[in-house]
Amino acid sequence: AQSVTQLDSHVSVSEGTPVLLRCNYSSSYSPSLFWYVQHPNKGLQLLLKYTSAATLVKGINGFEAEFKKSETSFHLTKPSAHMSDAAEYFCVVSDRGIGTGGGADGLTFGKGTHLIIQP
Amino acid sequence: NAGVTQTPKFRVLKTGQSMTLLCAQDMNHEYMYWYRQDPGMGLRLIHYSVGEGTTAKGEVPDGYNVSRLKKQNFLLGLESAAPSQTSVYFCASSWGRSTEQFFGPGTRLTVL
Repeated sequence: AQSVTQLDSHVSVSEGTPVLLRCNYSSSYSPSLFWYVQHPNKGLQLLLKYTSAATLVKGINGFEAEFKKSETSFHLTKPSAHMSDAAEYFCVVSDRGIGTGGGADGLTFGKGTHLIIQP
Repeated sequence: NAGVTQTPKFRVLKTGQSMTLLCAQDMNHEYMYWYRQDPGMGLRLIHYSVGEGTTAKGEVPDGYNVSRLKKQNFLLGLESAAPSQTSVYFCASSWGRSTEQFFGPGTRLTVL
């Protein structure tokens, strides 16, 4: 079985300061991991993905995430926040083993982290 | 490419009414999904399909039905709407199991 925990429901940072959104996962197999972003009243957009290649993954809009197997973490970071980064962020795990899902059979979403950017 | 599109964008229903939400994708993806999103709950999978003519239950299937008669379309039906089905509904598609999913813009449904 797989699960994902986003450790903060809300994160507030000032514009120009670093962003850290934390995600821990559990997986029985070698996982794929994703970060999605959802701007207000919009659908979800893929920010970046990890699929067992390089452990440091670069995504769009200056975001990156590091896969740390020993810590079962996949935290999302950005060196300098911009007002346009204000959104909801979802960490997602895919357990690529066979028959591991209940009814879901695919991706498991975290409950989201709301990122607030202070001017 | 339009990607994933959803129709309608907004809808208000009275309790007991029925409706169908349409999802279309032009990426030739095999897998399609319907989610609902509620405050503090993240996304929850309602039903999904692994190919034309197939459907399967997700985490919260009760009160919904789906059909995948054509590969590019995935329909979500509410036979008798209830206030608990007030939510934002997202459709998604992917080329394979456990690969990244591409999302539509969502449908905001209110059941009075």
